[in-house]
This record gives sequence, C-alpha cells and structure tokens, in this order.
Amino acid sequence: KAGVTQTPRYLIKTRGQQVTLSCSPISGHRSVSWYQQTPGQGLQFLFEYFSETQRNKGNFPGRFSGRQFSNSRSEMNVSTLELGDSALYLCASSLGVRGGRNYGYTFGSGTRLTVV
Amino acid sequence: GIQVEQSPPDLILQEGANSTLRCNFSDSVNNLQWFHQNPWGQLINLFYIPSGTKQNGRLSATTVATERYSLLYISSSQTTDSGVYFCADRGSTLGRLYFGRGTQLTVWP
Repeated sequence: KAGVTQTPRYLIKTRGQQVTLSCSPISGHRSVSWYQQTPGQGLQFLFEYFSETQRNKGNFPGRFSGRQFSNSRSEMNVSTLELGDSALYLCASSLGVRGGRNYGYTFGSGTRLTVV
Repeated sequence: GIQVEQSPPDLILQEGANSTLRCNFSDSVNNLQWFHQNPWGQLINLFYIPSGTKQNGRLSATTVATERYSLLYISSSQTTDSGVYFCADRGSTLGRLYFGRGTQLTVWP
C-alpha cells in the first residue's frame, strides 16, 4: 500500500513569503502530525490533526498553522517566512489507538524548505 | 511531556562490528519506536516495540517498559547502516511523539 506522501520535496522561498506543504497519509489513517527538524533543535512537534480537528499543538508561533481535510490529507502553512524557518518538515500518519491497541507512526520523505 | 535521552550521541564503527544504542525515558513507555533517518531525510520505521524483544535480520530491539529504557542492537554492521538513529515515544500524550536527539552512526569499510 502507498506510504505517506509529502509534496513538494524541495522548496526555496524568500523571507516574508508564505508557503503551504501537503501531506497525504496512509489510507485509513486519521491521525496526521507534523514535525520540524533543524540541526540545532532536532525534531520538534508542530501539531497533530485527528478527524479534521487539531488535537495537539507544539510550541510554535501563530505563523505556523495547519488543517486536515475530510479525506485525512493535511496541509501546513507558514506565513511571513523567516530565515530560521529553513528546515526539513516531516509528516507522520497513524491509526492511533483502536480497540485498546496503540499503533505506530509512519513518516513521509519530508519537505526541505530553504528560506533565502 | 516525556523526556528521551539517547546514548551515545555519536558512534564510529568498522564494518562487521556490533553496536548497542540506548534510549532512556522519563515516563511510562506506550508507543516506543526506533527509526533510522536515511541520507535523504526520511525516517524509516525499524521497530514498534513498546515492550519485549523483536528481531529483524541483523537488527534487534529490546524494551524494558518497567525500567523505562530500550536498546537497539546492530550486528555485523555495514556501511549502509550509517545515519542517524532515533527513538521516540508518545508517553501519556495522544497524537505526538517525543524524540531523542539521535545517535549518529558512521560505519567505515
């Protein structure tokens, strides 16, 4: 079955612009979460959506936002880009908890964003 | 949230050597996973192992949930094993994983 698909793979933007990243989860997965990875801060949690509702949010400014559609696909948006937003953005999907059983997370290939 | 400590931070091996990577957790383990980050950035699932022992080829993992730690064993390492290994768990929080800082493994031919 298809894995987690993130688009685009690479992106170069200018300071002040905005960007939208897309994530299509594994079929049947309703939980989609986003992470930012930088050399200095490691993997940091941005937010998680479950059945179109934001269930968890990390410690990022309001310039970072996201949403989830009825087909579980998710987008994240970063407005007014700053140089420090340059990072690898990873998306993960999961079945979550079903029937008392926890299910693991599967990650996409990521979107590498460079802000110049 | 849960704190995750990984050790060692860096590991350099010659091909054929064995290694053990460790993760310690500050809270109950519920969703422990080991990942390998490939050179292109993708996090590849190695094990979903909230408890017990699993093996997959040259790799095996053991989680002792009551003592809040997990070990990843790599036997007969190959150059293709190089990369960063992460462990992560969700602790008591649904919907997110808490990651360690990773172990950078370099395997020389």
